[in-house]
Amino acid sequence: DAGVIQSPRHEVTEMGQEVTLRCKPISGHDYLFWYRQTMMRGLELLIYFNNNVPIDDSGMPEDRFSAKMPNASFSTLKIQPSEPRDSAVYFCASSRTGGQNTEAFFGQGTRLTVV
Amino acid sequence: AQSVAQPEDQVNVAEGNPLTVKCTYSVSGNPYLFWYVQYPNRGLQFLLKYITGDNLVKGSYGFEAEFNKSQTSFHLKKPSALVSDSALYFCAVRDHTGRRALTFGSGTRLQVQP
Repeated sequence: DAGVIQSPRHEVTEMGQEVTLRCKPISGHDYLFWYRQTMMRGLELLIYFNNNVPIDDSGMPEDRFSAKMPNASFSTLKIQPSEPRDSAVYFCASSRTGGQNTEAFFGQGTRLTVV
Repeated sequence: AQSVAQPEDQVNVAEGNPLTVKCTYSVSGNPYLFWYVQYPNRGLQFLLKYITGDNLVKGSYGFEAEFNKSQTSFHLKKPSALVSDSALYFCAVRDHTGRRALTFGSGTRLQVQP
């Protein structure tokens, strides 16, 4: 398996623009997580899904952020409008239910810069 | 609420010496504990986990970690450090309830000097 695939790897956008980050989880994984990494706040959970249904979105900073998972193999994280403080590395991760297979596998991340 | 503390921002060790990266946790009930490593401009890579059973768990690249329930700790260790081990290390925890998301520590930068 190719692992968790995120696109784009880098995104530079102007303040006020819409940004969409994409994630393809590992096939067969039923959990998908979005995390954000910054120097100041470390790794923060934004939202996670189980079987395409959002379970916990309490980490989503504000209404400018939204996430969807239309099917088991694709998820998006959208920021509209973007602000400079949204600059961070955004990671997608996936894991599967069952037994002791509880670890999450991470994608390479999308480095977002809002200018 | 669950939490993880990594008390050292950076650990410096000479190549060939043993290394320890510290982690303590707080969780309701029994924990699932994890270590991840992050190399520059890369995602997090899973190293090892404690679910149940033996308190000493072995993982990738010669790393191991010891679960200590009384001290609520899960320190990462390696008998002989390599320069290539230099990276950012994260400890993470989740509980045995339905909440699947991991809570991460702030990370410890390991610097192995030749």
